[in-house]
Amino acid sequence: DQQVKQNSPSLSVQEGRISILNCDYTNSMFDYFLWYKKYPAEGPTFLISISSIKDKNEDGRFTVFLNKSAKHLSLHIVPSQPGDSAVYFCAASVVPGNQFYFGTGTSLTVIP
Amino acid sequence: DSGVTQTPKHLITATGQRVTLRCSPRSGDLSVYWYQQSLDQGLQFLIQYYNGEERAKGNILERFSAQQFPDLHSELNLSSLELGDSALYFCASRKGFDTEAFFGQGTRLTVV
Repeated sequence: DQQVKQNSPSLSVQEGRISILNCDYTNSMFDYFLWYKKYPAEGPTFLISISSIKDKNEDGRFTVFLNKSAKHLSLHIVPSQPGDSAVYFCAASVVPGNQFYFGTGTSLTVIP
Repeated sequence: DSGVTQTPKHLITATGQRVTLRCSPRSGDLSVYWYQQSLDQGLQFLIQYYNGEERAKGNILERFSAQQFPDLHSELNLSSLELGDSALYFCASRKGFDTEAFFGQGTRLTVV
């Protein structure tokens, strides 16, 4: 049972434009959400998180939006850079946390 | 560098064998998680330990077991290995229950 879904396996964006990665979840008990970035042959690297008491969190070029009623979150990267090319995973957990539930990932390619 | 150390980085072994994967969490992190990533799939949660005690169990096979030692390092034991066990195994550690988890570089297990 996939509780966290990333329906777009891949996304290509021109350098300098906005990248929008989407994630949907089914469990209304989730209240802590994260995005991770993963390069091949490396472990996932934490990017940004958001708790359910907020609907937006920004960190530099990265912004995460949370729509609890739609059970949807998105990651915006502005402006996109070639170094952002990686697989992006969204994850969710219930606080106090046990495991993170991960989506299947979206492979982002930023074209120079 | 996430501060989470996994050894070995690569492991090739034959079917039916047993292997042990090791994880040293970040200093001060009490929670350790194990995840499995099979080819082109998301991260599947296996098991979580908190301060030496098992806290949550996911889709972990009976042939697999884990433990967390008093110095907080953890080991994942995989026995009676099958070809389908070939995957990347990631360890992650976390300080609290409302913070992000940091992942190690992973152990790539190949069963031949």
